[in-house]
Amino acid sequence: GENVEQHPSTLSVQEGDSAVIKCTYSDSASNYFPWYKQELGKGPQLIIDIRSNVGEKKDQRIAVTLNKTAKHFSLHITETQPEDSAVYFCAASKGGSYIPTFGRGTSLIVHP
Amino acid sequence: DARVTQTPRHKVTEMGQEVTMRCQPILGHNTVFWYRQTMMQGLELLAYFRNRAPLDDSGMPKDRFSAEMPDATLATLKIQPSEPRDSAVYFCASGLSTLPEQYFGPGTRLTVT
Repeated sequence: GENVEQHPSTLSVQEGDSAVIKCTYSDSASNYFPWYKQELGKGPQLIIDIRSNVGEKKDQRIAVTLNKTAKHFSLHITETQPEDSAVYFCAASKGGSYIPTFGRGTSLIVHP
Repeated sequence: DARVTQTPRHKVTEMGQEVTMRCQPILGHNTVFWYRQTMMQGLELLAYFRNRAPLDDSGMPKDRFSAEMPDATLATLKIQPSEPRDSAVYFCASGLSTLPEQYFGPGTRLTVT
């Protein structure tokens, strides 16, 4: 089955810095890669996703890149703000059921 | 604002008691997922329904857990009997079978003493 590794487990940055979270996956058939943000006491919220026919996608301060050959994808957050502090999860899935395999999460702390 | 709702939000119970968690998927969604989140295991898929039919419940301990969808607006996850190791946050998510996006509810935090 699919295996998703996520690094780092904790990331601490100063407000205004950029943050990068990286994930690798094992199943070359995976073709959908979402990122979720989970704030304390809440459920994961889909913030951005990328499909395997695209190399990069941006939405304001967040972007995701995908390298299919190397089987890794990354989340980039620019100009971080304290409200970006949360746990971020990556996932990988493939067509049919699109049942995701999640990474273990990255706790992002943005210091004011 | 369409959202997945879950009840109860918190549940504290004693070992051996039955626990029922409920989920209302987003109206029109035809897939429902149940997940369990713990510090040790992260997010684990317990069960997956499409058009109310269970398609995958391989992640669920069969002897004590059961999941059903009595109708399109209600999914239930039941634990009987509950054990301390079941303490976790249980999430429901819904989506459309034609699209990969899933939308999570706020979760039920279960504590079994």
